[in-house]
Amino acid sequence: DAGVTQSPTHLIKTRGQQVTLRCSPKSGHDTVSWYQQALGQGPQFIFQYYEEEERQRGNFPDRFSGHQFPNYSSELNVNALLLGDSALYLCASSYGQGGEKLFFGSGTQLSVL
Amino acid sequence: QKEVEQDPGPLSVPEGAIVSLNCTYSNSAFQYFMWYRQYSRKGPELLMYTYSSGNKEDGRFTAQVDKSSKYISLFIRDSQPSDSATYLCAMTRSGAGSYQLTFGKGTKLSVIP
Repeated sequence: DAGVTQSPTHLIKTRGQQVTLRCSPKSGHDTVSWYQQALGQGPQFIFQYYEEEERQRGNFPDRFSGHQFPNYSSELNVNALLLGDSALYLCASSYGQGGEKLFFGSGTQLSVL
Repeated sequence: QKEVEQDPGPLSVPEGAIVSLNCTYSNSAFQYFMWYRQYSRKGPELLMYTYSSGNKEDGRFTAQVDKSSKYISLFIRDSQPSDSATYLCAMTRSGAGSYQLTFGKGTKLSVIP
């Protein structure tokens, strides 16, 4: 049983560029959440998708957007990249709308130069 | 004041020691409390999950929640070198606010053989 898979594992971009990160949830899960983890910090909630809609959003600007597909997979898009966007981006899946029991992927390490 | 405070360590203990990890929080609406373990370059892995106050034991791990003091703990008995990782506390509300987890910074633990 595959867990949460994310791609790519590493990515290097320059300021001002745009990036798309991808996530496939654990089998049987229908909810996808995205978190940003800066070096030495805990993960911070970006947003959650359920039934192809954004259910809740954390304190992130509109440059961060997402999408959930009918097969429950998800994308995170970040426009106009800033140096401060450099972080580990984690995707987590769960079943239903509650956020308590999340299963995380290994993340995408994004470096913005 | 941050919603969740966690001493980042690092914490270094000899193999076989009892480890105590702690978090404090300020938001009395938090009802669900979790501990995640994160190995280097990996996503967080759910270790313990508790609802409201009380204790929960799972093998060598015990989680305690004291809502009156807004204080949660994780104890690891007979610690092993394989327990060396960063431990993150996380918490969320019930109901509509449960879509997002709020994490501590994480405590880096090293168990020395």
